[in-house]
Amino acid sequence: EDQVTQSPEALRLQEGESSSLNCSYTVSGLRGLFWYRQDPGKGPEFLFTLYSAGEEKEKERLKATLTKKESFLHITAPKPEDSATYLCAVLLWGFLLLSNDYKLSFGAGTTVTVRA
Amino acid sequence: NAGVTQTPKFQVLKTGQSMTLQCAQDMNHNSMYWYRQDPGMGLRLIYYSASEGTTDKGEVPNGYNVSRLNKREFSLRLESAAPSQTSVYFCASSEQGRRSSYEQYFGPGTRLTVT
Repeated sequence: EDQVTQSPEALRLQEGESSSLNCSYTVSGLRGLFWYRQDPGKGPEFLFTLYSAGEEKEKERLKATLTKKESFLHITAPKPEDSATYLCAVLLWGFLLLSNDYKLSFGAGTTVTVRA
Repeated sequence: NAGVTQTPKFQVLKTGQSMTLQCAQDMNHNSMYWYRQDPGMGLRLIYYSASEGTTDKGEVPNGYNVSRLNKREFSLRLESAAPSQTSVYFCASSEQGRRSSYEQYFGPGTRLTVT
């Protein structure tokens, strides 16, 4: 069964204290991995897509990396405004052999709190 | 552009009542999705519509129905609400095709409580 597991569940950081979030997956034939940011009371906001092992993407203080079994979201010198829940999701193809039949399977998320 | 919009933002129902959650997107996306989000369980797919005129079940479809009204709109209906359907519901849309990037864009959510 395809599974996506995120760790830790919660992470409390001091401003400027760099850290990493983990997303591990057991899917047959990964087609893509996505990172989202979700603020309280809002919908998830797209951050990155990674398609192949070794790929890296960066945006401000965030850097996402991908291996064959897991992805990391590195937060460098975080600020209080980086406080949010970070979700990862893997791309799964549906039963039909059509380019438009696909779904995302989400992990439960990591809630990051950055204290000033 | 408004992106993905959802109505209502909040709703309280009594067990057995019915309601329809509305979703619309203005990005000309072909695919649309309905998710529910519960504490500690992440987003779970209820139904999706890969393209206008098609709908398919996701991971947790029981107790729900959907209608893809046109390319812009995708509604979710609860025929007889149950307390287990208390959740936050998100609609999402995505472009699809050989050169698309497959990421999904989410609406602000509907917070539903069933008493």
